[in-house]
Amino acid sequence: QQQVKQSPQSLIVQKGGISIINCAYENTAFDYFPWYQQFPGKGPALLIAIRPDVSEKKEGRFTISFNKSAKQFSLHIMDSQPGDSATYFCAASTGSTLGRLYFGRGTQLTVWP
Amino acid sequence: NAGVTQTPKFRVLKTGQSMTLLCAQDMNHEYMYWYRQDPGMGLRLIHYSVGEGTTAKGEVPDGYNVSRLKKQNFLLGLESAAPSQTSVYFCASRGGGLAGGSSYNEQFFGPGTRLTVL
Repeated sequence: QQQVKQSPQSLIVQKGGISIINCAYENTAFDYFPWYQQFPGKGPALLIAIRPDVSEKKEGRFTISFNKSAKQFSLHIMDSQPGDSATYFCAASTGSTLGRLYFGRGTQLTVWP
Repeated sequence: NAGVTQTPKFRVLKTGQSMTLLCAQDMNHEYMYWYRQDPGMGLRLIHYSVGEGTTAKGEVPDGYNVSRLKKQNFLLGLESAAPSQTSVYFCASRGGGLAGGSSYNEQFFGPGTRLTVL
């Protein structure tokens, strides 16, 4: 059973546009929701993360919106750039110190110049 | 500070052969993880370790074994490789310990090992 469901699988956005990737979860014990960015041939790297005590977190052009009641969170990339073209993974984990992350299946973002 | 390194970067095996993937981290992290990444499947946890000498199964442990004899190293073994194990393997590490800011949850990933089993 997939713990975190991510959509869309692929996304094409024009330069300067807004990219939106959505994730949903069922386990209410999850309390840490990171987004990872992966470029071809590289390992994933943490982009931004949020905890459920806030509804939004912004870092530069990247924003996480979190809806605890709906058990959904999303990544918004404002003013998308060709350099943002990558695969994005949402993930979730519980407060356990094991820190085990449950990943979504990924979204391949392509930003056209 | 090299972070997380993986050896080898590429490998081709024949069905039934064995091999070991090495992961090393120089951040003194307690927790280490092995994932496999397949197209459209995201990252799936194979095994993980919460400290030197400990290991535990993840989502897809069958056909793999692991060992954590030293804190900085986490080895993933394939005893008898199968074509279904063709994948890109990523190792990650995390500091762990008592909760602090959200950064304590951050997992740092290695560059990956691309394995093909014929």
